Amino acid sequence: AQRVTQPEKLLSVFKGAPVELKCNYSYSGSPELFWYVQYSRQRLQLLLRHISRESIKGFTADLNKGETSFHLKKPFAQEEDSAMYYCALSGGSYIPTFGRGTSLIVHP
Amino acid sequence: GAGVSQSPRYKVAKRGQDVALRCDPISGHVSLFWYQQALGQGPEFLTYFQNEAQLDKSGLPSDRFFAERPEGSVSTLKIQRTQQEDSAVYLCASSLASEGTGELFFGEGSRLTVL
Repeated sequence: AQRVTQPEKLLSVFKGAPVELKCNYSYSGSPELFWYVQYSRQRLQLLLRHISRESIKGFTADLNKGETSFHLKKPFAQEEDSAMYYCALSGGSYIPTFGRGTSLIVHP
Repeated sequence: GAGVSQSPRYKVAKRGQDVALRCDPISGHVSLFWYQQALGQGPEFLTYFQNEAQLDKSGLPSDRFFAERPEGSVSTLKIQRTQQEDSAVYLCASSLASEGTGELFFGEGSRLTVL
């Protein structure tokens, strides 16, 4: 079975502070990992995926197979980063499994 | 269309009523997923279609839930004899990929409230 754990329901930071949203997964094979974001009154959308190895809106995420983690990081948070962030895993069944989400609030 | 379209956006049903939720995916997208999202939770998988074939329905919570995609495009999720625990946002997502490894494009969701 595949599982995604996002331990923090809420993360509150000030503008300019570093941000790390945690994601741990449980899957015995080679996972495909994603971060999705939902801004206020918008639909859920892809932020980044680990195979792309790219930085989107200043966010990066590195797959750590040893720690089974895929934490999302940004060195300097902006107010427009305030949103719900969901980590998702596609494993052997290829059915994406989502975590419960972390609400990021960036204060001015 | 510009994206995945879901209707109705909001539905209030009395307990015991049947409801039907529609999803119009992006044209040409092979894969279609339905998820259920309860308040404060992440999306929970319900069912998956590849074209018109329902390849996985393991997430449907009971036999009151039924989904179809007869022509490999529009999909309908039907809930019979609704219960209060069915209250949630129902999300539809489509993907160009034939399996769930591609980017999912989500609709805005259908919020169901069962009284």
